[in-house]
Amino acid sequence: ETGVTQTPRHLVMGMTNKKSLKCEQHLGHNAMYWYKQSAKKPLELMFVYNFKEQTENNSVPSRFSPECPNSSHLFLHLHTLQPEDSALYLCASSQGIGLYEQYFGPGTRLTVT
Amino acid sequence: GENVEQHPSTLSVQEGDSAVIKCTYSDSASNYFPWYKQELGKGPQLIIDIRSNVGEKKDQRIAVTLNKTAKHFSLHITETQPEDSAVYFCAADMYSGGGADGLTFGKGTHLIIQP
Repeated sequence: ETGVTQTPRHLVMGMTNKKSLKCEQHLGHNAMYWYKQSAKKPLELMFVYNFKEQTENNSVPSRFSPECPNSSHLFLHLHTLQPEDSALYLCASSQGIGLYEQYFGPGTRLTVT
Repeated sequence: GENVEQHPSTLSVQEGDSAVIKCTYSDSASNYFPWYKQELGKGPQLIIDIRSNVGEKKDQRIAVTLNKTAKHFSLHITETQPEDSAVYFCAADMYSGGGADGLTFGKGTHLIIQP
């Protein structure tokens, strides 16, 4: 148990659906991240939030919309996804940005049909 | 941006032998190099990290070495055990014009410990 929880653990959605992924960290950290993990590809950084402010959007398509209402919670809103968006979506948190350890949640396995 | 290369993609060793995984990075501004272990159905778990002010760090059977001049770092696991079987990722901190961001990861090494 890393102190970072993600729900749901598994999600199947059609291309016209709207769904949201939730992440919560219980570590008192200030920074939170979304990563995408696809088969045979490195983990890809999607978004970074530091003290609730978005500091990085790594050229992610607008069909992915993050939200960070406070330093403990992070959401990823999904709409009109494509089958190639099927992947494991990982949330992580760290004390700050830069030379700080990142702690990952278990991920949400997303399948887009 | 940062680019991290990791080798090999698959590594099979006999139980009790040592395993070495190597990574290179491109951005000389990187100063933080963590290693993660990911087991099936779980998120990556930090196992050891090293910062650029040291060349080597050890924690029981796990060690990491860093050569900043050559821009490469390695993970060494000694006396391997079946529970060491997993996918291992190296990473480096990445920077954009505004400062530090997240991590750039290698593609991973599937380590298989043969009994």
